[in-house]
Amino acid sequence: DAMVIQNPRYQVTQFGKPVTLSCSQTLNHNVMYWYQQKSSQAPKLLFHYYDKDFNNEADTPDNFQSRRPNTSFCFLDIRSPGLGDAAMYLCATRGTAGLHIQFDEQFFGPGTRLTVL
Amino acid sequence: SQQGEEDPQALSIQEGENATMNCSYKTSINNLQWYRQNSGRGLVHLILIRSNEREKHSGRLRVTLDTSKKSSSLLITASRAADTASYFCATEAGGTSYGKLTFGQGTILTVHP
Repeated sequence: DAMVIQNPRYQVTQFGKPVTLSCSQTLNHNVMYWYQQKSSQAPKLLFHYYDKDFNNEADTPDNFQSRRPNTSFCFLDIRSPGLGDAAMYLCATRGTAGLHIQFDEQFFGPGTRLTVL
Repeated sequence: SQQGEEDPQALSIQEGENATMNCSYKTSINNLQWYRQNSGRGLVHLILIRSNEREKHSGRLRVTLDTSKKSSSLLITASRAADTASYFCATEAGGTSYGKLTFGQGTILTVHP
């Protein structure tokens, strides 16, 4: 089944120790998103890729970076995790047609829950 | 800042009852979407309504949109225990925000068997 996969599902890291979360998709979608969702809060968009074009949200901390080496994979790097970065990180994809986004639905992975000790 | 506000924050009902959740937003939109999230899981798309639509149905779901009041409601009829989850509205604006969703705070729905 086509899907969005996130690994690992649970990640524990130490304060200040870099961590990488991964997302892969078999949907062949052009657009990939990373959201941060803290406990009992709404998902908050960090950045997204339209193909290889990277789009950062204005309030996304510099501590967060992303890589998309190919259509299928996208990585979220947290360079120096702080206690405030503990959250669920959600990856999502969206299909497009041509130059204009045609399909409105976003497909979410199960998320990676990050704990910072 | 978050676009949407949802109310109630939490809703507890008995199986078979209807559940209504409301969402308000601040700026003009292209469409409004509703997502469901089971505890500790990702989000699942439920239904989308465009800015030129007023009502939409999908199975036991009914969504309304009032762009003059900048509000939407999600009605789940004949609820089941399996409907227990958090429900989020998300808006997609136009312009430079095209393709990006802004989520509301969510409503936690508990359906008791």
